[in-house]
Amino acid sequence: ILNVEQSPQSLHVQEGDSTNFTCSFPSSNFYALHWYRWETAKSPEALFVMTLNGDEKKKGRISATLNTKEGYSYLYIKGSQPEDSATYLCAFYGGATNKLIFGTGTLLAVQP
Amino acid sequence: GAVVSQHPSWVICKSGTSVKIECRSLDFQATTMFWYRQFPKQSLMLMATSNEGSKATYEQGVEKDKFLINHASLTLSTLTVTSAHPEDSSFYICSARVEPTEQYFGPGTRLTVT
Repeated sequence: ILNVEQSPQSLHVQEGDSTNFTCSFPSSNFYALHWYRWETAKSPEALFVMTLNGDEKKKGRISATLNTKEGYSYLYIKGSQPEDSATYLCAFYGGATNKLIFGTGTLLAVQP
Repeated sequence: GAVVSQHPSWVICKSGTSVKIECRSLDFQATTMFWYRQFPKQSLMLMATSNEGSKATYEQGVEKDKFLINHASLTLSTLTVTSAHPEDSSFYICSARVEPTEQYFGPGTRLTVT
């Protein structure tokens, strides 16, 4: 059974704080790692699709890194804002399964 | 672009009745759509892969006679929960595949069976 784990489960930070969370996934048969941002009552929004070991992607104040050899990815948010409050999901796409396997998400709450 | 809608956003039904959930790709065509279910504090679990013009492929443990999937056009897939029971109460969400590994999600449907 393929397991994708995210930590922490939830996180409360103050506006302006920088934060990061982790996604760990199987290191074999890796094809892609996805990060999604999911606000309540909205559709999950794709943030990054990462495929190469050592890859680093950035979108505004949000960035992500990827280590496929050890099976983890970090998502960083610099200078958190209240509008960053959401659940951040990662999903592993492996060649053997041909489907996205999701973690349980990290719920981020940014206090103004 | 790449917007997926889902209807209804929430529904309450009585035990034993059937409920249909629609998933539409609004500005693109999708030959493949996916249906997921999420129970509280758990991850999104793939239920089935919906292929336009052919039968859906169900994940292990998902009853195909209970969760009927129809993908009759390139922009619409429907999930019908037949003879719903309280244990079917969950959050159901669909996605449409754009690239081999890229999916765009609908906003989800909260189903409560009383």
